[in-house]
Amino acid sequence: LAKTTQPISMDSYEGQEVNITCSHNNIATNDYITWYQQFPSQGPRFIIQGYKTKVTNEVASLFIPADRKSSTLSLPRVSLSDTAVYYCLPNKLIFGQGTTLQVKP
Amino acid sequence: KAGVTQTPRYLIKTRGQQVTLSCSPISGHRSVSWYQQTPGQGLQFLFEYFSETQRNKGNFPGRFSGRQFSNSRSEMNVSTLELGDSALYLCASSFNRGQFTEAFFGQGTRLTVV
Repeated sequence: LAKTTQPISMDSYEGQEVNITCSHNNIATNDYITWYQQFPSQGPRFIIQGYKTKVTNEVASLFIPADRKSSTLSLPRVSLSDTAVYYCLPNKLIFGQGTTLQVKP
Repeated sequence: KAGVTQTPRYLIKTRGQQVTLSCSPISGHRSVSWYQQTPGQGLQFLFEYFSETQRNKGNFPGRFSGRQFSNSRSEMNVSTLELGDSALYLCASSFNRGQFTEAFFGQGTRLTVV
C-alpha cells in the first residue's frame, strides 16, 4: 500500500489560498486519491477525490500530476472554520499522519 | 437520510475486560471499515467488512475482532483490554468497495481503559 508524506502543520490567514501537497511515490495504478478533513472529536469528512489532472468541487480543488506520485489540495480563501487536520489517502483505507492547518484571523 | 451511527458514544472499562462497539452504516451501504485513533498513532485501520466478510485487516493483535451482519450493521470486539486500547474508535461506511467511493464516518466511540 502506498505510504504518504504530508507536512505535519501549516499556518495561514483568513482569505488566503492554501495548498497542501502530499507525496505518494508508490501509488498503485488503480488507486484514487482522496482527501479528508477532520475536526477535533469528530470523524473525518470527505473533501474531494480524483485520479489524475484536476478535479474541482464547491469546497476545494485537487491537482494530480501525470506521474500521480503526488497530489495537491487547494483550499481557496480559507476561513477560521477551515482549521482542521487534512488527510491524503492514495488508498481508500489507509490514513497518513495528516496536516494540521491553523487559520489565523 | 440518517448518517453512520456508533454506539455507545463513551465507554469506560477496566483492564482485562472486553468490550463490544456497534456501528450502523448509512442505509444501503454495504461496506464498513473500522479505525482506531490515538494522539500518538493517528488514525489506524483495523478492518474492512463487505457483505458479511472481512476483506482487509490492519496490523492489530488478535484481541481485536469484528463482524458484519446481514443488514450491514457491524460490531467490533476488543478482548482483554489494555490501557493502550484507550482511543477513539471510528466506523466508516460506503456504498461499495470500489476505489471511487466516498466513505462516511460516524462520530466515534470514545473508549477509556482504566
